[in-house]
Amino acid sequence: NAGVTQTPKFQVLKTGQSMTLQCAQDMNHNSMYWYRQDPGMGLRLIYYSASEGTTDKGEVPNGYNVSRLNKREFSLRLESAAPSQTSVYFCASSTRAGSTEAFFGQGTRLTVV
Amino acid sequence: KQEVTQIPAALSVPEGENLVLNCSFTDSAIYNLQWFRQDPGKGLTSLLLIQSSQREQTSGRLNASLDKSSGRSTLYIAASQPGDSATYLCAVRPIQGAQKLVFGQGTRLTINP
Repeated sequence: NAGVTQTPKFQVLKTGQSMTLQCAQDMNHNSMYWYRQDPGMGLRLIYYSASEGTTDKGEVPNGYNVSRLNKREFSLRLESAAPSQTSVYFCASSTRAGSTEAFFGQGTRLTVV
Repeated sequence: KQEVTQIPAALSVPEGENLVLNCSFTDSAIYNLQWFRQDPGKGLTSLLLIQSSQREQTSGRLNASLDKSSGRSTLYIAASQPGDSATYLCAVRPIQGAQKLVFGQGTRLTINP
């Protein structure tokens, strides 16, 4: 059972470069999320998608865009990376009939130099 | 605004002890509360989900309780083992803005052999 799969696991970018983080879930969940985790800041929600076809901003959306490609896939794009976006990024999914339990991917460790 | 607090930030105990981790939240209007475990460099693993109508949930040596009216949850770990060493996070799903989990900062637990 794959659960929530994120790619890549590690990435180093130069300031100003762009990249897309990919996330896919195989649990037939309606909702998907992108979080970032920083020391001392905890987990902060960047964007979420309550259902296929919808996306909404979370706490820290600036500098990011998202696409809910279909029910399974939710991507996060950094258009012009900045050192402040150095972080660990987690994708999560939740919510299907009878359950709102959330499941997380293994994370993407991103360094912007 | 919902806020979640976990105290202490770190805890170190000898192997074999029973221990309690605490989670408090400011707004009792929640759908559920979820406990996660995070190993260093890894993603979050769901441990237990307690619905707002429930008082407790058990899984193996873990027991989570919920007192919604007082805004508190505890995670009880029986007969602790070195393999239990990890960071434990709690998260609530508010009724207002139900798509967004709100996380505590976590308790870093070390079990000493």
